[in-house]
Order: sequence, then structure tokens, then C-alpha cells
Amino acid sequence: NAGVTQTPKFQVLKTGQSMTLQCAQDMNHNSMYWYRQDPGMGLRLIYYSASEGTTDKGEVPNGYNVSRLNKREFSLRLESAAPSQTSVYFCASSERGGNQPQHFGDGTRLSIL
Amino acid sequence: AQSVTQPDIHITVSEGASLELRCNYSYGATPYLFWYVQSPGQGLQLLLKYFSGDTLVQGIKGFEAEFKRSQSSFNLRKPSVHWSDAAEYFCAVGAGPSGTYKYIFGTGTRLKVLA
Repeated sequence: NAGVTQTPKFQVLKTGQSMTLQCAQDMNHNSMYWYRQDPGMGLRLIYYSASEGTTDKGEVPNGYNVSRLNKREFSLRLESAAPSQTSVYFCASSERGGNQPQHFGDGTRLSIL
Repeated sequence: AQSVTQPDIHITVSEGASLELRCNYSYGATPYLFWYVQSPGQGLQLLLKYFSGDTLVQGIKGFEAEFKRSQSSFNLRKPSVHWSDAAEYFCAVGAGPSGTYKYIFGTGTRLKVLA
């Protein structure tokens, strides 16, 4: 019963490098989300996918792209990493609707030097 | 605009003492409210949720929360704290009409438990 699986768990990049964070869920959920967590700021939504085939910007989308590869997988790409993107990234999934609880992965800790 | 405020950044309690973590929200309609807990190095785990009905909701690990519309609050409580409750706690509101699926999170309250 894996739930939401994120890879990698840790990564260090140099400024300007590119990187794709992977997320997969096995709960047959329609909606998936990418958040970043920074000290004192809680979780901020980067992008979300309400259903397979759709993606939308969240609160802090600049510098990121996403792909909803299929119902299970939702990836986050940093095309040209910047130190300001150093953060912990969480993927989550849920059934449709704002009243549905979200299920979180364990996070990817990303450092940009 | 919707928002969630957790006024306490850090709280320290002794093991066995009672706990109350505060959460205030701003939302135009009946909110969907959630409390999550995050242990170090882990993702967020759902503690409890409120959609409608009974304003006192029970969750896992002995936690409960009370929805007070008049105060726009959804405070989390536990009668007797255990050392394993040390973690960071997040309040969230499910925002938007049906068809939008975004949460808004508070900035979190970090709980320290003294032995």
C-alpha cells in the first residue's frame, strides 16, 4: 500500500541545471498536486491537475512546468534551476473536489547551489 | 480572498498536559476544513476533517477539533499530549466551488513536548 511515491528523496543541483521530480499514486485518484514547503511559509501550491489531461497554475508556478503523464503520474520540471527554488517539494493526490482530503508523499529535498 | 491563519508558530507543552492549537480562516461560504500533522522528514498526514454537521469532529491519535462559525475558527485539541505528538501541525481550508480543488494551508505550528 504505497500511496504517493516521490523520487528522488534528495537532490543537489547547480544553478542552471534542469531536473524532473517524479510522483506516482496508486489510489486511482483523479486530482494531483505539487507543493513547495519553505520555513515559515507553510505549503504553497505550484501546479495542480484536476484530472488526467488537465493542468493548472497554482500560487507559485514561475520557473516550473508539469506533465500529467497518465492518471497515476504527475511530474514537476525545473528547466533552469535557481537558488530560490531550494525547498522541499511535496506531491499529493485526492479524489475530485475541495472537500476531499489530500494524500501526501514523503517529499523531495532539493538544494540548488 | 481565502486565507488561513495559525497565530502560534511554536508551542511547548509538558507530556500529559492538554493542548489547543489555533486556526482561523477567512472564506465566503461554508468551508471544508482540515488538520494535518507532519513528523520530521515526512509528508503530511490527515488528522481530521470538517465538512458539515456536528461542529465537534474526532480524528486519529486522540485529536479533536471544534468548528466555530461565529469566530471563524477550527481549533485542534488533545486532552493529554504524548511525547510522540511532537511535530508540526497544519490547518487547511478546501477552497473554491465544486470543480476547483485547491487547498490553502496555514503556516503551521510546531509542537514541542517536554518529558
